[in-house]
Amino acid sequence: ELKVEQNPLFLSMQEGKNYTIYCNYSTTSDRLYWYRQDPGKSLESLFVLLSNGAVKQEGRLMASLDTKARLSTLHITAAVHDLSATYFCAVVINNNDMRFGAGTRLTVKP
Amino acid sequence: DTGVSQNPRHKITKRGQNVTFRCDPISEHNRLYWYRQTLGQGPEFLTYFQNEAQLEKSRLLSDRFSAERPKGSFSTLEIQRTEQGDSAMYLCASSAGQGSNEKLFFGSGTQLSVL
Repeated sequence: ELKVEQNPLFLSMQEGKNYTIYCNYSTTSDRLYWYRQDPGKSLESLFVLLSNGAVKQEGRLMASLDTKARLSTLHITAAVHDLSATYFCAVVINNNDMRFGAGTRLTVKP
Repeated sequence: DTGVSQNPRHKITKRGQNVTFRCDPISEHNRLYWYRQTLGQGPEFLTYFQNEAQLEKSRLLSDRFSAERPKGSFSTLEIQRTEQGDSAMYLCASSAGQGSNEKLFFGSGTQLSVL
């Protein structure tokens, strides 16, 4: 059965610092997503990664995918308070079944 | 178009009652998904429609759960004889199904509390 594991589950960081969130998955997939969720809100799509070595960047966030290692990373550069949220990775199997990790709750402190 | 719309936003019900939620996807999105999310967890896939056809159902979807999308537009999710374990956020998502670059747009969810 597919497992999607994120770590860390909780992350508290200072503004201006860099950090990386990791997403490991246990079976072959051709798509990996990163989502952001603010408390009480729905999920916002951040990135779709489709191929080995794919890298996408938007603002202070950069996502990468290594399909051989079954690993994706979400790197945060020079964190700001507005990035505080829960970040989920999700892996697609069987064409339409999207499996989510448990999420990483990020808190950025001034 | 204001995105995926779900209602009600909150539903409180007593154990054993039936509840129905509605999802209006983004216009012309032919794919519609239902997920369930409990506190501190990621969303869990429940079911998927392409147009009006329900193509996949998770084993999480017990016989008490039924979903429809009668005209390929809005969808309803009904839970019969609710149990306390059904308490969760029920999320709907839609997509245009544009191949491997498919992007899901999520609604704000319906928060169900079963007393």
